[in-house]
Amino acid sequence: DTGVSQDPRHKITKRGQNVTFRCDPISEHNRLYWYRQTLGQGPEFLTYFQNEAQLEKSRLLSDRFSAERPKGSFSTLEIQRTEQGDSAMYLCASSLGFWTSGSIPPNTGELFFGEGSRLTVL
Amino acid sequence: GESVGLHLPTLSVQEGDNSIINCAYSNSASDYFIWYKQESGKGPQFIIDIRSNMDKRQGQRVTVLLNKTVKHLSLQIAATQPGDSAVYFCAENTGGFKTIFGAGTRLFVKA
Repeated sequence: DTGVSQDPRHKITKRGQNVTFRCDPISEHNRLYWYRQTLGQGPEFLTYFQNEAQLEKSRLLSDRFSAERPKGSFSTLEIQRTEQGDSAMYLCASSLGFWTSGSIPPNTGELFFGEGSRLTVL
Repeated sequence: GESVGLHLPTLSVQEGDNSIINCAYSNSASDYFIWYKQESGKGPQFIIDIRSNMDKRQGQRVTVLLNKTVKHLSLQIAATQPGDSAVYFCAENTGGFKTIFGAGTRLFVKA
C-alpha cells in the first residue's frame, strides 16, 4: 500500500504527558499537511510543509505543539503537556505541488489523507 | 473571513434516489472547491473538484454545481447507494496551499 500512513492509530494518555505522532506521506509528494478533527466537525488546518520547510502554522497550534519534517519525507507532530482539550483525531495529508515560474504555486487540489491518529487525553 | 458552512447536518435518502448536499462559503477570493467523503474511522477521500471559472462539473454519478453569485456549492449524487453513506465535506481554497473544510453533512442511505 503506497498511501499515507500514520502511527499510532490510537493513543490514550494522561493529562500532562507528551505524545508524538508520525506521518509517512506518499513518497513523491512534496507537500505535507497536519489537520485536527473533533467529533462532528470538519478537519481544521494545523500546519503545512513544502519539502522540509514548515511554511505556515495555524494559531490553533499553540507552543505546546511542534511539527517537523527533517528530511522532507516523514513528519512528526509532538504535543507536550497534553490537555483534555487536545483529544481529537490528528490527520495527515500529502499532495504533489507543481511550481510554475514567477507565479503563486498552483494547488493541485487533491489531498491524500491517512486514516488518522486518534488521541484521548484522560 | 474564511468560513465554509453547510445548510443541513444530516440527510436521509432512499436507496436509488438522488442526493443533494449543499454548502455555503463566505470567502469571495476562493477559487477552487472540493468535495470530500469521509467514512467512519477513515480519513477524508477526494470526490470531485471545481474551479471558480466553471459552473458545473460531472464525475461518475456525482455532479458539483457552483453558484458564485450567492456563494453556494452543491454535490449531487445520482442513484444513491448504501456505500454512499458517509459524511461529506465541502472545502475551499484560495489558490494557495491551505484547504479549509466545512463542518460536514452526514448522509444516510435507507435500503
